[in-house]
Amino acid sequence: DTAVSQTPKYLVTQMGNDKSIKCEQNLGHDTMYWYKQDSKKFLKIMFSYNNKELIINETVPNRFSPKSPDKAHLNLHINSLELGDSAVYFCASSHPEETQYFGPGTRLLVL
Amino acid sequence: QKEVEQDPGPLSVPEGAIVSLNCTYSNSAFQYFMWYRQYSRKGPELLMYTYSSGNKEDGRFTAQVDKSSKYISLFIRDSQPSDSATYLCAMSGLGSSNTGKLIFGQGTTLQVKP
Repeated sequence: DTAVSQTPKYLVTQMGNDKSIKCEQNLGHDTMYWYKQDSKKFLKIMFSYNNKELIINETVPNRFSPKSPDKAHLNLHINSLELGDSAVYFCASSHPEETQYFGPGTRLLVL
Repeated sequence: QKEVEQDPGPLSVPEGAIVSLNCTYSNSAFQYFMWYRQYSRKGPELLMYTYSSGNKEDGRFTAQVDKSSKYISLFIRDSQPSDSATYLCAMSGLGSSNTGKLIFGQGTTLQVKP
C-alpha cells in the first residue's frame, strides 16, 4: 500500500497552461507539504497544511495555489506555467513536528 | 550563504569502504536533524533522525550531531552498491513558526563501485 501517492508522475505541458498535481496520504497524518526540487537536487519547501489550514507559505509566486479538501489530500494548482517551473514536485506528510514521509514525485516539464 | 551547506559530490568509493557524509549549518535554532536517502527518480526516504547533539546508530549507519560546531555527519560502514544514491541532510527548529519546516542541504551523490 502506497503511503503518500501523487498523480500524475509525469507532466509535460506548454508555457501559459494551467495544471494541477494531486497528493493523497493514508498514514493518518495531520500535516501535509509541497516541496520543489530543482535540477541541482536542491529541495525547498513551498507550502504546509495542518488539518486543512495553511501554516507555511514560503516565498512562492501566487500562480501556485495549494488546496486541501480534507486531511488526507493536498493538491497543487499552478496557473500560467513558466519555463522556470520545470522541476520535480514532492508531496510529504507527517504528524506535527515529526518525521516527514515523501511521495514519489511529479516531474513537470514546461515547454 | 545557504542555511545548510552540503558538498554535492559526486563521491565515488569502492564496495566495503567507510563513507563519511557531512553538512554544516548556520542557524543555532535547529534542534532536529535528519538524513534522507534518495534513489534516482524516487522520493526521499528517511534514514536517520536525531534530536539535539549526540550519536545514533542503526545497522551500518551512524549519525552524529555536533551542535557546538554546527556540523552533522552520516557514516556508512561496509558500503554496498545498493547504497548508491543521493543523501540529503535536513534540519528544523522548535516553535510554531518552524513547525514542519525542513531545511535541506543540496544532497551528496554517492556511488559505491563493486
